[in-house]
Amino acid sequence: QKEVEQNSGPLSVPEGAIASLNCTYSDRGSQSFFWYRQYSGKSPELIMFIYSNGDKEDGRFTAQLNKASQYVSLLIRDSQPSDSATYLCAILTGGTSYGKLTFGQGTILTVHP
Amino acid sequence: DVKVTQSSRYLVKRTGEKVFLECVQDMDHENMFWYRQDPGLGLRLIYFSYDVKMKEKGDIPEGYSVSREKKERFSLILESASTNQTSMYLCASTRGLGTDTQYFGPGTRLTVL
Repeated sequence: QKEVEQNSGPLSVPEGAIASLNCTYSDRGSQSFFWYRQYSGKSPELIMFIYSNGDKEDGRFTAQLNKASQYVSLLIRDSQPSDSATYLCAILTGGTSYGKLTFGQGTILTVHP
Repeated sequence: DVKVTQSSRYLVKRTGEKVFLECVQDMDHENMFWYRQDPGLGLRLIYFSYDVKMKEKGDIPEGYSVSREKKERFSLILESASTNQTSMYLCASTRGLGTDTQYFGPGTRLTVL
């Protein structure tokens, strides 16, 4: 089993819909969870992070964390064509102070007008 | 704003050449990372460094070495480039605290002929 797995894409949603991106992880000692967005040909940029169970909202984005079930998700409300990108889930595992992240393989999201 | 810069955006080398990829960050971050990114495989960690002259192997160190002589600079070296090292190379840095994100450079697309 991969350490970090994301739902297989590509994911296609209409403009204005909610896009749901999911990520599961295997290390129960994982501490912090990050969502990055990567446009084609560009480097990843941080959208948000979460480290406590529950929801965390930032504008149109909501991260949800459930440590008991070992999953983290990202919801994008009112999806826009500009949200079309690859979304990477990354996890800071326990036992390291170096900020070492483990990344999922990414989910390609397309928002069509 | 954190700035991570990489020496080249595009690089073309021949099989057997020695290749140097340079990364510089301007935020006094302790930790620096080199990844490669290939379609369908996500980001894979090659090496990371948590202090000057300190380095740790990542998940795929074979065929690579690194150098960190100064805190702000982290170099990736391909001793004898091979065609299977054609990839996008991304450098990142972080302070390494629990919720501190990694900041990425723009990437170097390396083609080995």
